[in-house]
Amino acid sequence: KAGVTQTPRYLIKTRGQQVTLSCSPISGHRSVSWYQQTPGQGLQFLFEYFSETQRNKGNFPGRFSGRQFSNSRSEMNVSTLELGDSALYLCASSPSSGQADTQYFGPGTRLTVL
Amino acid sequence: KQEVTQIPAALSVPEGENLVLNCSFTDSAIYNLQWFRQDPGKGLTSLLLIQSSQREQTSGRLNASLDKSSGRSTLYIAASQPGDSATYLCAVSGMNRDDKIIFGKGTRLHILP
Repeated sequence: KAGVTQTPRYLIKTRGQQVTLSCSPISGHRSVSWYQQTPGQGLQFLFEYFSETQRNKGNFPGRFSGRQFSNSRSEMNVSTLELGDSALYLCASSPSSGQADTQYFGPGTRLTVL
Repeated sequence: KQEVTQIPAALSVPEGENLVLNCSFTDSAIYNLQWFRQDPGKGLTSLLLIQSSQREQTSGRLNASLDKSSGRSTLYIAASQPGDSATYLCAVSGMNRDDKIIFGKGTRLHILP
């Protein structure tokens, strides 16, 4: 079974631009979660999608948004980029929603904002 | 509010030694606890998942224990190898279905050849 894939792997943007990141979960997994990882704050939960519905959301501003498609693929969008948005963005998939299942992580997208 | 702490932030040990990584959490009402490994610039790989009703889990040279009452977990690595060098993170899930997973900041482990 193919693992979780994320595209692109690396991105460089400038302040004020917007960016869209993509995540394809493991086949059969219906839940996709997004995380931001920075050296200072560590791994922080952004949001979770299950069956095209946002199930849970972390403490991030409205500039961070996401969606999930009928094939469970998910996209994350960040508008009006700020320098502090530079981070490794990880997505994780699991068969169902909630805390019962192990999450399987993708390799991440490294976003640099200049 | 759940907080997860991992001390030390970094650790170097000679190859072949047994070692213990520590994780503590402030709220004992957890559903499960997971240990992950992260290689530089890469995603996370789940190593062990301990349900709140369990005391330990083992996989190969790894053994994770959980003491909910004291808010502690340890990851024991036997006979360490240079390939074990990575950052190890623990994460806890709350009891409610919609609780977010809370991660510690990790322990960066370096095994000296």
